[in-house]
Amino acid sequence: AQSVAQPEDQVNVAEGNPLTVKCTYSVSGNPYLFWYVQYPNRGLQFLLKYITGDNLVKGSYGFEAEFNKSQTSFHLKKPSALVSDSALYFCAVRESRAAGNKLTFGGGTRVLVKP
Amino acid sequence: DAGVIQSPRHEVTEMGQEVTLRCKPISGHNSLFWYRQTMMRGLELLIYFNNNVPIDDSGMPEDRFSAKMPNASFSTLKIQPSEPRDSAVYFCASSRTGGYRDEQFFGPGTRLTVL
Repeated sequence: AQSVAQPEDQVNVAEGNPLTVKCTYSVSGNPYLFWYVQYPNRGLQFLLKYITGDNLVKGSYGFEAEFNKSQTSFHLKKPSALVSDSALYFCAVRESRAAGNKLTFGGGTRVLVKP
Repeated sequence: DAGVIQSPRHEVTEMGQEVTLRCKPISGHNSLFWYRQTMMRGLELLIYFNNNVPIDDSGMPEDRFSAKMPNASFSTLKIQPSEPRDSAVYFCASSRTGGYRDEQFFGPGTRLTVL
């Protein structure tokens, strides 16, 4: 069975500082990993994904994520956070052998960027 | 593209009433997903369709919930009879194919309140 964990319920960071949102996963086969962001009263928006290839993936709004197979992690990063990055962030995983198209989401991490 | 369209955006109903939520996926997308989001349980997959066929409905809470996809451009999620514990935000999402490389695109959600 596939699962994903986001160990921090909330991350606080000052504007301009680096932002990291942690994610670890568990799958039987090769993982396909995704990050989504949810702004208040909105649906989830896709940020980036890791399928194969380079371990460092670049996505929307200046975000990037690093796939680390040995640590089974896929942390989301941004070098310089903006107040507008304050939102709820979800990590999701799909096992390459999983039937169909089922994504498993983490519990979400709320990011608060203070001016 | 207009993105995934959901209606209504807000629904307030009384316990025992029938509720129907509607979704129009992105044109050309072959997979459709219904999720429920609550503070207590986070984001839960209820059911998903591939080429209009239900593939996995194991997340549907009970027989009061049913979902249909009569054609590639329309799906409904029905709750009959509704109960206060069904209060949540319901999201519809679609993806291009049933393949596990594809990200999902979410609609804005329907906020359901059952009194």
